[in-house]
Amino acid sequence: EDQVTQSPEALRLQEGESSSLNCSYTVSGLRGLFWYRQDPGKGPEFLFTLYSAGEEKEKERLKATLTKKESFLHITAPKPEDSATYLCAVQASRGTGNQFYFGTGTSLTVIP
Amino acid sequence: DVKVTQSSRYLVKRTGEKVFLECVQDMDHENMFWYRQDPGLGLRLIYFSYDVKMKEKGDIPEGYSVSREKKERFSLILESASTNQTSMYLCASTGRYEQYFGPGTRLTVT
Repeated sequence: EDQVTQSPEALRLQEGESSSLNCSYTVSGLRGLFWYRQDPGKGPEFLFTLYSAGEEKEKERLKATLTKKESFLHITAPKPEDSATYLCAVQASRGTGNQFYFGTGTSLTVIP
Repeated sequence: DVKVTQSSRYLVKRTGEKVFLECVQDMDHENMFWYRQDPGLGLRLIYFSYDVKMKEKGDIPEGYSVSREKKERFSLILESASTNQTSMYLCASTGRYEQYFGPGTRLTVT
């Protein structure tokens, strides 16, 4: 069964305390793995796309990595404004198009 | 810098009404998607379209239909709104390397 699992469901960090969020998947026909940030009441904001194992992408305090079965979103020295829900999704080829399979997200709270 | 727009941020409708949600993208993307997002259930795919006048059912198409007459516009239609369709509706547009979401429409059916 195609599935994307994110852990932990919720994470509380002190400001400056680095950590990692996990996204594991059992989806065949992987085209790409996407990370998003979502603030309450808003649509997800695109962060990164990773395509192959070993690939890394960075943006400010965020770094995403990809292996064959999972991806990590590393947050270095987080600030309170990094508080949000982080979603990952796997894009897979299905028929004549592509489909996205989403995890349920990790809710991150950074305490000043 | 607006890429994907949705016709309403908040909408309140009565049971049995026909509801139209519109999504417009300005990136010339071929692939567009409609999701609903509910607490604890995450994002669930309703319908998607990979070209004008083409549509494919997602995981939860029952009670919904879609229309894509122009490349930039993808509409979601609730034929007869029910209370279990109260949700956040999100439209997305996908290019080769990225996927952008609209701001969402919070629909309440009373």
